[in-house]
Amino acid sequence: GAVVSQHPSRVICKSGTSVKIECRSLDFQATTMFWYRQFPKQSLMLMATSNEGSKATYEQGVEKDKFLINHASLTLSTLTVTSAHPEDSSFYICSARGARRGGHTGELFFGEGSRLTVL
Amino acid sequence: GESVGLHLPTLSVQEGDNSIINCAYSNSASDYFIWYKQESGKGPQFIIDIRSNMDKRQGQRVTVLLNKTVKHLSLQIAATQPGDSAVYFCAESYFFSGTYKYIFGTGTRLKVLA
Repeated sequence: GAVVSQHPSRVICKSGTSVKIECRSLDFQATTMFWYRQFPKQSLMLMATSNEGSKATYEQGVEKDKFLINHASLTLSTLTVTSAHPEDSSFYICSARGARRGGHTGELFFGEGSRLTVL
Repeated sequence: GESVGLHLPTLSVQEGDNSIINCAYSNSASDYFIWYKQESGKGPQFIIDIRSNMDKRQGQRVTVLLNKTVKHLSLQIAATQPGDSAVYFCAESYFFSGTYKYIFGTGTRLKVLA
């Protein structure tokens, strides 16, 4: 089964509203989580890196006030798209890195992604 | 954010043939590399990884080759099957500002022809 759970998988919202996406590591403690954005037929673009208990590190060009990231526990990170607009419509994917039983650190585990459509 | 490329190149192979997907990475400090498979509407799925102290690693039907001299990574899929049709991404990882970063390549769409 999936080791990283992302919810919701699809969300449609009105322009100006905020949307929260959750990312949970199910069977390991994720010291670091990453949020990516993916446009159709394009690669994954790293938005930010979050370490548990500290502020997220955003990539150049990503608005931290627009995309609020919280990593309050070792198993949960959330991405909130604030005052969403149609141009924020995209596929958002979280991933988690951490020691896994029987595995090794370094491997990234991905959620199934959340498709956001802003009307 | 960091990303590479705007268009997905496509590789078409006959079912049963071997596939080779190539990737050029950018950071000579990268010490860990991963290949992912992504099906439409889903998150990336881990295929195989390799550390920079190796130049080849084999899995089930897949082999990853690493050439650090030219910063090149390849994924070989033996006896390609219809279920292998997907987009394949390489990712490079390096330590920066106290954390590991994972940067994805452009991606290649693999189409398996019956």
